[in-house]
This record gives sequence, structure tokens and C-alpha cells, in this order.
Amino acid sequence: AQTVTQSQPEMSVQEAETVTLSCTYDTSENNYYLFWYKQPPSRQMILVIRQEAYKQQNATENRFSVNFQKAAKSFSLKISDSQLGDTAMYFCAFMKLVSGTGKLIFGQGTTLQVKP
Amino acid sequence: DVKVTQSSRYLVKRTGEKVFLECVQDMDHENMFWYRQDPGLGLRLIYFSYDVKMKEKGDIPEGYSVSREKKERFSLILESASTNQTSMYLCASSPGLAGRGEQYFGPGTRLTVT
Repeated sequence: AQTVTQSQPEMSVQEAETVTLSCTYDTSENNYYLFWYKQPPSRQMILVIRQEAYKQQNATENRFSVNFQKAAKSFSLKISDSQLGDTAMYFCAFMKLVSGTGKLIFGQGTTLQVKP
Repeated sequence: DVKVTQSSRYLVKRTGEKVFLECVQDMDHENMFWYRQDPGLGLRLIYFSYDVKMKEKGDIPEGYSVSREKKERFSLILESASTNQTSMYLCASSPGLAGRGEQYFGPGTRLTVT
């Protein structure tokens, strides 16, 4: 069975600085997706960034980038130039590609506070 | 934009009551999901559905059932609510692999069972 672990329950960062959130996962699959989702306070969860395991290049979305280490089963999220609106809970998630239903397995979440 | 709506943001029920949580999506997605979110545990899958009238158990189905009579609507049912079902419940929908795995979430229902 696949598992996803986020070992940092809470983090904080000063506005405009860079922060990295950690995620490790365990799987015997070779083809899968990894995701970071963001859940702002009292707002809906949205997708931040996605990485296909077969792609060696790390995904980037504006200020958000990942460091995907397939052999180490590590998938960290880097937020550059942090903004107050980045304050949220962040979830790392795994999905294997075999099933077409798209079941996600989530980590425990990391609460990020961006301080002015 | 994909919209996923849930019938209530906050709900308070008594132990033993039958509780219905409803979810509606407007993007014709095949797949729909119910999760519960608890501090320190992340999101855990209760049930999911990959087609009308089709359902599969997730990781924590005990005490819950689901119904999907129409493609856009997926209901979660607590047959006899208990205090350990106090939680945040999130619904999500997805086109599956066609959408490269992305799920679209509703705003959540915070259920308190007293």
C-alpha cells in the first residue's frame, strides 16, 4: 500500500522569503502522479502543482516549484517570494496511474503561516 | 470553472440520527469522492464513485454509505451518527486520468455530532 508522509505539521516564513515543505512517499509503483494541494483558511482546496513520475524535469508554476527525487521517494515544495495569501494548509498527495478512477492518497498536511 | 458544491457548511446532529451530506458538481465528471479531514490525519477516503450507481469503498467506509443516482450528485449517508464521526467532510470530483489526476473540491461540511 502507498503511504505519504509530511513530517512538518507547522511552518512559518517571513513575507518575501523562500520556504520548503517536505514530503516523502512509499510505493512500489513506477508510474504515478504527485501533487501539492493548498487549503486556505475557510476556503476550498485547490491544486498547486503536479508532477508526473516519468518526467525527470521538476515541475514549476510561477513561484511554486518542486524537487522530485524519485529514487529517494521525496517530493518537496518550494515557495519563493512568499506572500500573505500563501498562508494555508498544504497537502502532498500520490496517485498511481494504473487505475482510471484517480484515487488520491494524502499526507497529514503542513500548516504554513506567512508573516508580514 | 468547475464548481463543486456541498449542501451545508456547518451541521450539528444528535447521536443516532441519520445524516445526509450532499455534493453536486457541474462539470460532467465521472468520478466523485468523499473524504473526511481530521487534524494530524490529513484526508482519508471514505467512498468513491466512478459512474452512476457505481461505488467503491475507500479506506474508512465503516459507518457510512453513499448514493449516486445521477451523475452530478453524490450523497454521503451516516446511518446512525456517532460522536466519532464529528469531522470535516470534503467532496471532490474528477474526470480521472483525462484530467491528469486533478480533483476539484467542494467547500466542506463541518459536522458536529453531540
